[in-house]
Amino acid sequence: GESVGLHLPTLSVQEGDNSIINCAYSNSASDYFIWYKQESGKGPQFIIDIRSNMDKRQGQRVTVLLNKTVKHLSLQIAATQPGDSAVYFCAENYGSSNTGKLIFGQGTTLQVKP
Amino acid sequence: EPEVTQTPSHQVTQMGQEVILRCVPISNHLYFYWYRQILGQKVEFLVSFYNNEISEKSEIFDDQFSVERPDGSNFTLKIRSTKLEDSAMYFCASRRETGKGTQYFGPGTRLTVL
Repeated sequence: GESVGLHLPTLSVQEGDNSIINCAYSNSASDYFIWYKQESGKGPQFIIDIRSNMDKRQGQRVTVLLNKTVKHLSLQIAATQPGDSAVYFCAENYGSSNTGKLIFGQGTTLQVKP
Repeated sequence: EPEVTQTPSHQVTQMGQEVILRCVPISNHLYFYWYRQILGQKVEFLVSFYNNEISEKSEIFDDQFSVERPDGSNFTLKIRSTKLEDSAMYFCASRRETGKGTQYFGPGTRLTVL
């Protein structure tokens, strides 16, 4: 069935450490993935995306890794800051869907301790 | 930086009443979406809209729901007869290009059905 899930509901890290948030997806036909950050009371905010023809993509302080063999996606945040505290969702788009419909995972809460 | 806007931020209604949630997508975007998020849960796809018609809808999007783009800027979600279980955050999103691409989300409307 349709499912995109995350391995851990809550991740607590020390300020300055690196964070790794994981996501498993079930549909091997998915070819586009996005990480969103959601702060309390706000809408999902785009962080970074990756297409299935890549296995790594870097942004500013963030890196997304895609392992299609095991259908796993991860978001790495370097030098985590208090402002990074939020819920992080991975989302996938099926290759057969041209409408852009996104399937979201459950979300991981990132808590950054000062 | 252009952004998706939504009104109202919070809507309280009685069960059985009709509600209209409004969105102004980013101006040069072509694809429009509604998602909802029940408190503490993941974001769920409702409907996608392109070229003045629905391109895909989920099982949640039953006959009580409808969408409209009444003019060149607004995109609305109507719920004809609200139920208690319709209480959720409703997010509008828009996307510019064809194929795969980033969806930008609005801040959401919190709908409370009493």
